[in-house]
Amino acid sequence: DVVMTQTPVSLSLAIGQPASISCKSSQSLLGTSGKTFLNWILQRPGQSPKRLIYQVSKLYSEVPDRFSGSGSETEFTLKISRVEAEDLGVYYCWQGTHFPHTFGAGTKLELK
Amino acid sequence: EVQLVESGGGLVQPGRSLKLSCAASGFTFSNYYMAWVRQAPKKGLEWVATISTSGSRTYYPDSVKGRFTISRDNAKSSLYLQMNSLKSEDTATYYCARHHPGPEVDYWGQGVMVTVSS
Repeated sequence: DVVMTQTPVSLSLAIGQPASISCKSSQSLLGTSGKTFLNWILQRPGQSPKRLIYQVSKLYSEVPDRFSGSGSETEFTLKISRVEAEDLGVYYCWQGTHFPHTFGAGTKLELK
Repeated sequence: EVQLVESGGGLVQPGRSLKLSCAASGFTFSNYYMAWVRQAPKKGLEWVATISTSGSRTYYPDSVKGRFTISRDNAKSSLYLQMNSLKSEDTATYYCARHHPGPEVDYWGQGVMVTVSS
């Protein structure tokens, strides 16, 4: 199975500060279709997960453009240019290229 | 508006069975692959199963293969998860999810809790 490793485990940031979360996979996530199925989701406290980014860098329509995703093959990054209060929660990367689909352990973003 | 509403959770003894349901609305259910994803208490997420649009193809991780069965009824816009031989480690919140545009998940349900305990 593909192991997804996220760092850091937690982040404590003030509103307006930038954030960066790393996600590394144990195998390349480049699929035979030429697409890389690396996703980012956010789970706010007490809620179900919500979509953020798919195929490494594509934002879903409702996601603010302060979020961005980058990377390739086995190394990926989620960045928030300026953290806002609504951004707190746990961020997960997960891969859909290989079965079984697998998730990172999560990065908890807390507000300072 | 896309809605996914899970039901059927509860407390069940080890070794017994339980069937979860997910009622979908707000989209043409038969056009989408669907999935179940679970989250043990205070833990991360684990993909449990995926089913193709017609139901002819299903995919599972080894942790549930042979015990869990995903199915769907496109006429009823419903997704199911039959869970047999339940173990304590199956205790989790189970989320119904829609795959789109590819293996990505663009919508998640609110989740249903399953507790396996004697």
